[in-house]
Amino acid sequence: EPEVTQTPSHQVTQMGQEVILRCVPISNHLYFYWYRQILGQKVEFLVSFYNNEISEKSEIFDDQFSVERPDGSNFTLKIRSTKLEDSAMYFCASSAHRTTGKANQPQHFGDGTRLSIL
Amino acid sequence: AQKVTQAQTEISVVEKEDVTLDCVYETRDTTYYLFWYKQPPSGELVFLIRRNSFDEQNEISGRYSWNFQKSTSSFNFTITASQVVDSAVYFCALHGSGNTGKLIFGQGTTLQVKP
Repeated sequence: EPEVTQTPSHQVTQMGQEVILRCVPISNHLYFYWYRQILGQKVEFLVSFYNNEISEKSEIFDDQFSVERPDGSNFTLKIRSTKLEDSAMYFCASSAHRTTGKANQPQHFGDGTRLSIL
Repeated sequence: AQKVTQAQTEISVVEKEDVTLDCVYETRDTTYYLFWYKQPPSGELVFLIRRNSFDEQNEISGRYSWNFQKSTSSFNFTITASQVVDSAVYFCALHGSGNTGKLIFGQGTTLQVKP
């Protein structure tokens, strides 16, 4: 079964440094997402991306964050100047459809990248 | 506003007991979708079920069953004859019809199944 692949599985970065988290969504999917989970807390939506642009972003997704689909396969999340509170598990997800009005396709999640800011 | 509430923070049961995880949601959408995900200690999110708002039929899959009640805005999840491998954090999530596909997650319920 196709999978969403995230690299690296664990990233350790110094505060203030830039970090890029990488994701390879399922190949025929059109909608891409990033979520964040601070340790012990719920999964929070960051951003959705469709047709090469952001379709929705949350309050968490401030100017320090950006997303990009640099080629036909990768989907990246960049944090420009990391803060201690950016330490979290970051999940990438993809789906074939947003909603068909019939049966919404579930979002397929990657295994996550654990980001640790020192 | 859309919201998902999982009031049970932690549940502990002994193997073979049945356990129900509660989920209550809020939405103004008439069409919406509800999900359950399992997060084992290894950290990944495992999709369990999707339910559409216009399909109130309950579903059973092996030891898992889901009870969807629109009248009480609840989508509860029951594990029958629990096993140690069921130990995980379980998240209920909501997707509204009008948004861009984002999922709104509840706080999660940590289930510990003891041998």
